[in-house]
Order: sequence, then structure tokens, then C-alpha cells
Amino acid sequence: GQSLEQPSEVTAVEGAIVQINCTYQTSGFYGLSWYQQHDGGAPTFLSYNALDGLEETGRFSSFLSRSDSYGYLLLQELQMKDSASYFCAELSGSARQLTFGSGTQLTVLP
Amino acid sequence: GAVVSQHPSRVICKSGTSVKIECRSLDFQATTMFWYRQFPKQSLMLMATSNEGSKATYEQGVEKDKFLINHASLTLSTLTVTSAHPEDSSFYICSAPWGQITTQYFGPGTRLTVL
Repeated sequence: GQSLEQPSEVTAVEGAIVQINCTYQTSGFYGLSWYQQHDGGAPTFLSYNALDGLEETGRFSSFLSRSDSYGYLLLQELQMKDSASYFCAELSGSARQLTFGSGTQLTVLP
Repeated sequence: GAVVSQHPSRVICKSGTSVKIECRSLDFQATTMFWYRQFPKQSLMLMATSNEGSKATYEQGVEKDKFLINHASLTLSTLTVTSAHPEDSSFYICSAPWGQITTQYFGPGTRLTVL
């Protein structure tokens, strides 16, 4: 089967650094994506890792370890607007489908 | 980046009626589109994979006769919720891969409320 686990909630203050972990179990795994979703909105693509290592995009970085079936999203210099739900999602299957984790609600406090 | 639109953004209907939701890729062609459903405070659940020119592929537990999918062109996929009931009330979102197939772009979603 396919399942991804991530913490349900994380709280941090402005300017801080937060790491959201994700573990996955699947066959046919191609890579791990991260999406941000604000309340009532659509998911927005943040990053994708196909190979082991760190991908950096501005304040956001994502890491993947295929041998450990583990990845994380690192958010630096947190801003209030970063308060949202963050989903890891694995890309798998012949149709390159996304299977989403349960989501992590990030609250950034002033 | 690629743009995906959905219409309508919000719909309220009576129980027993059918509702059609459109998903369009505005500036690129999509042979494959995906339909998701999201209940409040929950994750996105893949319902089906829409394939241009062929039948959709439904995920386990999704009734294909209730959720009709048509992918008539390279820029349009439609989801019809037939004989809608209150338990079908949810946020329906479509997506399409663009460029590197590893990236999916999501439509803004359609909030369906069945009374």
C-alpha cells in the first residue's frame, strides 16, 4: 500500500526555522513533492526531490533520503504568510500520480 | 508557470441533482488530468485519472457511475457528480502535469454543497 506520515501541527514564531518531516512507504516511487495550501485555496507546488539530497528554493528547502524513505521540508525566516497546511506527496505509478500525506498545519506566531 | 482553471468555483444544489465541474488547462495541453476531493481539515484524496481520448481510471472505492469523467480535448476535463447527496459535499480540485511531468498544477477548486 501507499501511506505518508507527517506531523499534524507545528507552531513557530516569525523569523524562526521549521522542519516538517515526512515518511513514506510505497512501491513504484519516483519522487517526493511538497505543496502549500492556504485555507480555502488550491495546493501550490513548492519543491520536488527525485534524488537524495537537498533542494533549495529561496527560503524553502527540501530533502530526500530514498534509503530511509524519508524527506523533510525546511522553512527558514518564517513569515506570518507562511501559516498554511503543508503536504508531502509522493509521485508514483505509470500515470505519475500524486498521493498526498495527511498534511501539517503550520501556525506562525508574531 | 502553467495555469489551470476550474468552473464553477462554488455550487449549491439540491439532493438528487447532477453537477458538472470543468477543469481547463489554459496555456498548455494536458493528455492527463487528475481529480481530487478534499473534506474539511483533511488531505487531498485522488479520485480518478482523466485520460484524453480514453476512459478515466478510478481509484478504489470511487464509484465511476456516480462520478462521470470526460476528457474530450487536450485542454478540458469534466467531472459530473450524478444524483448528488449531502455526503458528496466537498472541495473538488483538478490538476494537470506540465513541463517536467513531476510537477502538477492545480486548479482553484470547486466547493460543492448539496442540500
